[in-house]
Amino acid sequence: NAGVTQTPKFRVLKTGQSMTLLCAQDMNHEYMYWYRQDPGMGLRLIHYSVGEGTTAKGEVPDGYNVSRLKKQNFLLGLESAAPSQTSVYFCASRRYPSTDTQYFGPGTRLTVL
Amino acid sequence: AQSVTQLDSQVPVFEEAPVELRCNYSSSVSVYLFWYVQYPNQGLQLLLKYLSGSTLVKGINGFEAEFNKSQTSFHLRKPSVHISDTAEYFCAVSEAGVSGGSYIPTFGRGTSLIVHP
Repeated sequence: NAGVTQTPKFRVLKTGQSMTLLCAQDMNHEYMYWYRQDPGMGLRLIHYSVGEGTTAKGEVPDGYNVSRLKKQNFLLGLESAAPSQTSVYFCASRRYPSTDTQYFGPGTRLTVL
Repeated sequence: AQSVTQLDSQVPVFEEAPVELRCNYSSSVSVYLFWYVQYPNQGLQLLLKYLSGSTLVKGINGFEAEFNKSQTSFHLRKPSVHISDTAEYFCAVSEAGVSGGSYIPTFGRGTSLIVHP
């Protein structure tokens, strides 16, 4: 049982480049989330999904897109990266409908030059 | 909508001393409360949670927290800290009894616990 995994662990992009972050969970969780973590800002929700084929915007969705084609995977895309998107990105998953906790991945450290 | 305030961004303490990390929340409805810990270069993991019942909640690694509804607080405590407790601690709140897609927890900005030898 790997839990929540994220690929890649590190990435450096140039401004304007695109990339996709992959989150995978093997716990059959319904809910999945993408957060960014910046110093002094805590965790801010980018997008989330309540099930396969459905996504919704969180607190800071601009500049990001997501897809949930399979229940176990949640992809976060940056179409045209900007330096303001330099951050650590965390994926999390959670069961439905219980009051269970969120299970977090190890994070992806992204630097946009 | 709910909000969370972690009153201290950084808490330095000596090893074997007690520590309290403060968390206050705001919500117009009943809530569930969580404390997560993030060790350096890792993801978050659950320390403890309050859903209902006893207001004193015990978690992993000797931590405990007390839910105080009148003061809208959920402070985290440990009677004697170790060097290995050095980490970032996050308080989170979500609305109780909400079903469907509205199960979105709100996180505080985090408190960095620094344990000195």
